Amino acid sequence: DAKTTQPNSMESNEEEPVHLPCNHSTISGTDYIHWYRQLPSQGPEYVIHGLTSNVNNRMASLAIAEDRKSSTLILHRATLRDAAVYYCILRDYGGSQGNLIFGKGTKLSVKP
Amino acid sequence: EPEVTQTPSHQVTQMGQEVILRCVPISNHLYFYWYRQILGQKVEFLVSFYNNEISEKSEIFDDQFSVERPDGSNFTLKIRSTKLEDSAMYFCASSEALWGSGGGTDTQYFGPGTRLTVL
Repeated sequence: DAKTTQPNSMESNEEEPVHLPCNHSTISGTDYIHWYRQLPSQGPEYVIHGLTSNVNNRMASLAIAEDRKSSTLILHRATLRDAAVYYCILRDYGGSQGNLIFGKGTKLSVKP
Repeated sequence: EPEVTQTPSHQVTQMGQEVILRCVPISNHLYFYWYRQILGQKVEFLVSFYNNEISEKSEIFDDQFSVERPDGSNFTLKIRSTKLEDSAMYFCASSEALWGSGGGTDTQYFGPGTRLTVL
């Protein structure tokens, strides 16, 4: 799977939007961009995924650059419960592997 | 909402002992996974399982590890002779379909984990 680069940590204030960036300059045409998060002392949790178009769900939005070399996870109004490590993961639809390959992610802190 | 459950939440064992970690995947899911996370480190894939056999495994999943689906609901990870370096959080995950199936059915849902401490 292609590599992703994320900032080690970010801070946000409660009820403000948060933009979590991810760079994936070697992304291939069949790589989907997935985001998972891990709340403290919990297992990873699926957030959102996309291929080319921007995606929205009840948890977040995913903005994908036109050249697909970067993407941004958007939390529209951060809450204290959103404090977690956020992982940007590329998954190759053309590949045979089903496992997720986690990097170090971005640790998001949310201040009240 | 259906969820993956794991027992026990915390297991303490002596080095060299066998441990079995248990998971109950989401009921209509067919694909099962084990991951581990050593304290302060990345989440690492161990093994995936489908149709009563291992689909993929990582280098970590050596002969000391085995997985089994003993009945229609449980999925277990056995470590035959634990080592100090096996101390970690072990996460079970399940998905309805294999990655690549699309439609969101290939999303992996994780359990809360079992903390294994080897003394």
